Amino acid sequence: AQSVTQLGSHVSVSEGALVLLRCNYSSSVPPYLFWYVQYPNQGLQLLLKYTSAATLVKGINGFEAEFKKSETSFHLTKPSAHMSDAAEYFCAAYGNNRLAFGKGNQVVVIP
Amino acid sequence: GAGVSQSPSNKVTEKGKDVELRCDPISGHTALYWYRQSLGQGLEFLIYFQGNSAPDKSGLPSDRFSAERTGGSVSTLTIQRTQQEDSAVYLCASRPAGAYEQYFGPGTRLTVT
Repeated sequence: AQSVTQLGSHVSVSEGALVLLRCNYSSSVPPYLFWYVQYPNQGLQLLLKYTSAATLVKGINGFEAEFKKSETSFHLTKPSAHMSDAAEYFCAAYGNNRLAFGKGNQVVVIP
Repeated sequence: GAGVSQSPSNKVTEKGKDVELRCDPISGHTALYWYRQSLGQGLEFLIYFQGNSAPDKSGLPSDRFSAERTGGSVSTLTIQRTQQEDSAVYLCASRPAGAYEQYFGPGTRLTVT
């Protein structure tokens, strides 16, 4: 079964600074990996996906993620944080008929 | 196009009552999922429907939970004899054929008093 690890439940970043959210997965098969964002009282919105094409994946709102098989990682980055990036972010892996989610990162953007 | 819709958006019920939660997936999506989101447990898989195949119910936490999908489209999640630990946000998602990404609805917030 897939499992996903996200460290650091709360992440504070200054407006204009780099956003880096870490995600590691464990899998014995090629993974299908995703990042979702959740704004307060809303569902999950797909940010980007990795499905074994390019290892650097670009998503919406200026986010991108790099798949590194040797490190079993799929970290999410954005060069310059905006106030509107304040939300909760979930890394997920698909396998066994379901998404397995990390525990999420609550991102706070400091003006 | 229209996304996944869920109703009601909020539901408050008394312990011991039955509740029904509805999900309308994106038109043409063949797969439908239910997940539960709670503070203590994070996001948990509940059940998966794919076409006319038997659903994967392996995530349902107890036999008080059941779900059906009628006509390959709308799905209803039913919780019988609700307990306080059932309080959570119930999320529905759908997935198009040939893809792995899932598209989520806004959720139903269930509060059991």
